[in-house]
Amino acid sequence: AQSVTQPDIHITVSEGASLELRCNYSYGATPYLFWYVQSPGQGLQLLLKYFSGDTLVQGIKGFEAEFKRSQSSFNLRKPSVHWSDAAEYFCAVGHILTGGGNKLTFGTGTQLKVEL
Amino acid sequence: DAGVIQSPRHEVTEMGQEVTLRCKPISGHNSLFWYRQTMMRGLELLIYFNNNVPIDDSGMPEDRFSAKMPNASFSTLKIQPSEPRDSAVYFCASSFGRGGKGGEAFFGQGTRLTVV
Repeated sequence: AQSVTQPDIHITVSEGASLELRCNYSYGATPYLFWYVQSPGQGLQLLLKYFSGDTLVQGIKGFEAEFKRSQSSFNLRKPSVHWSDAAEYFCAVGHILTGGGNKLTFGTGTQLKVEL
Repeated sequence: DAGVIQSPRHEVTEMGQEVTLRCKPISGHNSLFWYRQTMMRGLELLIYFNNNVPIDDSGMPEDRFSAKMPNASFSTLKIQPSEPRDSAVYFCASSFGRGGKGGEAFFGQGTRLTVV
């Protein structure tokens, strides 16, 4: 069965600093990988996704992630963090359903705090 | 499109009462998911539907929980009778996949359920 590990529960960075959030997955085949962000009281918003092709994927809000098969990782990065990036970030691995759609398995999330 | 619409946004009920959560997926999507989010257990997949058919309900915690999808534009999650430990945020998500490829899941804003 697929699983996702986000080893960092909380991360604090200064505004303007670079950010890397770690994600490791376990999946028997080529994974479909996602990063979602959740602001307080809100639903989950997709930041970016990896299905195939270029292993460096660009997302919204200046985020990017790199798929490394050898390390089973899909870390999220941003070169310069803004105060509005403070939120909880979830990595997920998708299992393709026979009829279409992805069954997502989520990690436990990383809470990002941004210091001004 | 208005996105995935959930109602109500907040629900407070007394233990033993029946609770019904509602979801309208994005038009054209063929997969629908119900997730539960708690501090203790994170995001858990309860059940998912593909083309209105329940595929896997192994995440449904007990027989007190039931879900239906009578048509492509509406789904309900019912808890009867409700218990305080059911207090959580319940998310509905939908996605579209075709030809063995799955799309990303789009989440609603969630229903915050409090059982007192």
